[in-house]
Amino acid sequence: DVKVTQSSRYLVKRTGEKVFLECVQDMDHENMFWYRQDPGLGLRLIYFSYDVKMKEKGDIPEGYSVSREKKERFSLILESASTNQTSMYLCAISRGDTVPSYNEQFFGPGTRLTVL
Amino acid sequence: AQSVTQLDSHVSVSEGTPVLLRCNYSSSYSPSLFWYVQHPNKGLQLLLKYTSAATLVKGINGFEAEFKKSETSFHLTKPSAHMSDAAEYFCVVSETRGSGDKLTFGTGTRLAVRP
Repeated sequence: DVKVTQSSRYLVKRTGEKVFLECVQDMDHENMFWYRQDPGLGLRLIYFSYDVKMKEKGDIPEGYSVSREKKERFSLILESASTNQTSMYLCAISRGDTVPSYNEQFFGPGTRLTVL
Repeated sequence: AQSVTQLDSHVSVSEGTPVLLRCNYSSSYSPSLFWYVQHPNKGLQLLLKYTSAATLVKGINGFEAEFKKSETSFHLTKPSAHMSDAAEYFCVVSETRGSGDKLTFGTGTRLAVRP
């Protein structure tokens, strides 16, 4: 079974705090992704990484950064949390094949972040 | 650029009746298309995927979807709804960008199943 774990299910932080969300996979997949999920908006891609130390911006990268020092771990960083970053954050992984048909993504359980 | 439109934000059916969740897509290339399901307080799970083989795709739990290029649609169906099908469903289109794939999600359809 594919296992994607996220460091916390629920997190409450204050405005201005630095926040780290961690994602760990045990599948040796090349690609890792961070999304946020908001009601009525579906999932929106924040950042993704297709190799260690490589990253690409997604559709809504503002206010976020990422780090991938090891293949199995992908961190999302909120440098200074704001209330509009209250959301559900989902990590996903996929194989690194260039053929899209293989690029099914597997999701972690999510972290519900509340910024007060 | 690719996009996905899920035509209904909420669908309600009676148990035992058919389910139809509608999805239209836009893509510059031959797309890969997916349906994911999210049960309350659970992660997203892949239901089925279309990858340019057969246009009628069968997935888990009795769901299937038909790729219709002329209509740019990928509607999800099930002949008989079960109470356990109550969840949120996402239609997704995929393209490859750089060395990675990029998924574009629809806004979701919440399915309610009445006893």
